[in-house]
Amino acid sequence: NAGVTQTPKFQVLKTGQSMTLQCAQDMNHEYMSWYRQDPGMGLRLIHYSVGAGITDQGEVPNGYNVSRSTTEDFPLRLLSAAPSQTSVYFCASRTGTGTGNTIYFGEGSWLTVV
Amino acid sequence: AQKVTQAQTEISVVEKEDVTLDCVYETRDTTYYLFWYKQPPSGELVFLIRRNSFDEQNEISGRYSWNFQKSTSSFNFTITASQVVDSAVYFCALRGPNDYKLSFGAGTTVTVRA
Repeated sequence: NAGVTQTPKFQVLKTGQSMTLQCAQDMNHEYMSWYRQDPGMGLRLIHYSVGAGITDQGEVPNGYNVSRSTTEDFPLRLLSAAPSQTSVYFCASRTGTGTGNTIYFGEGSWLTVV
Repeated sequence: AQKVTQAQTEISVVEKEDVTLDCVYETRDTTYYLFWYKQPPSGELVFLIRRNSFDEQNEISGRYSWNFQKSTSSFNFTITASQVVDSAVYFCALRGPNDYKLSFGAGTTVTVRA
């Protein structure tokens, strides 16, 4: 079972560069989201999507873009990387049916901006 | 707004000792969902348990047990007879019925020494 797959696992960027973190899930989940993890702060929501063609901002959306053209894929774009975006990024998904459903996470993407 | 507090930043024990991780939450929702996730040194987030607010039955799964007390807004997690493989960061999280995101605590780092 692939579950939630993120790529790349590690990336180093220079300030000002752009890149896309890829996320794909094979569980036919309606809800997908991106979190970032910073020391001592747990995980914070960047953007989320409740279905193909529908996205919305989370707690910390600035500097990031998302799109959801298919149910399976939810890429996260950094438009102009900044050192403050050095973090670990997690993609997550869950089914939309049933409000208590568990959120499943990808393996994480470690991003360093120098 | 949802809030999760994990007051213990780090816990260090010797193998075979029991470890209890505290989690206290705040919410105005009458229905909500609590979760525990484990993040081992490899970095992925592993789902451990979900508890619905209307189900206060405590649960034991192998060496893991959870104590949910609605009266004190706590959802504590105990590892019995800890092993080195239990060394990880453990996160408590909360989601309301209409929330798209999980609200995470800051995490507790557990180190089990041989």
